[in-house]
Amino acid sequence: LAKTTQPISMDSYEGQEVNITCSHNNIATNDYITWYQQFPSQGPRFIIQGYKTKVTNEVASLFIPADRKSSTLSLPRVSLSDTAVYYCLVGFNNTNAGKSTFGDGTTLTVKP
Amino acid sequence: GAVVSQHPSRVICKSGTSVKIECRSLDFQATTMFWYRQFPKQSLMLMATSNEGSKATYEQGVEKDKFLINHASLTLSTLTVTSAHPEDSSFYICSARVVGSGHNEQFFGPGTRLTVL
Repeated sequence: LAKTTQPISMDSYEGQEVNITCSHNNIATNDYITWYQQFPSQGPRFIIQGYKTKVTNEVASLFIPADRKSSTLSLPRVSLSDTAVYYCLVGFNNTNAGKSTFGDGTTLTVKP
Repeated sequence: GAVVSQHPSRVICKSGTSVKIECRSLDFQATTMFWYRQFPKQSLMLMATSNEGSKATYEQGVEKDKFLINHASLTLSTLTVTSAHPEDSSFYICSARVVGSGHNEQFFGPGTRLTVL
């Protein structure tokens, strides 16, 4: 399984753009990259998923360079409610097999 | 997105008793479900992969006789913590995977807080 490395913590202020980068040097050819958000005492919530280049949805963007050895989650104009732990997962492939394991995650603290 | 529920959300039990946690996919069928455990201030630790109609695959270090997993249908997986002890107190989270054309998504339940006295 591809191991992921993220910064342990990040601080930001309301209204700023936040970029969280995840390293996954051993990513396999068929692996997807998925980001989750978790609030205390809740299950993780899906944010975005991508395979290559750029993916954008209503809450975030995901940038994946050509070598796919890293990925960057971009949160535009964060608010206090975005304070949470963000996890980068690599490990699914495009079959009904495989499993995903969580890295240590990044604790994002948004300040007023 | 797809919804995964867990029941109960919180349980307190005495040491030595067994506790069953249910994980249901409410609006989709899941051939594969995962069970995680999370201690305070730590990441989620994968315990086992539950496949419908077959035996679960446990991660190294997870006792299969202590954490019984049953995935009897495409919408239900259960985790039974047998003879629970205080060190089993944790936040247990299940997830179900949806595999579709061009994407894989994993949807998580809200978690079950187990406290063993």
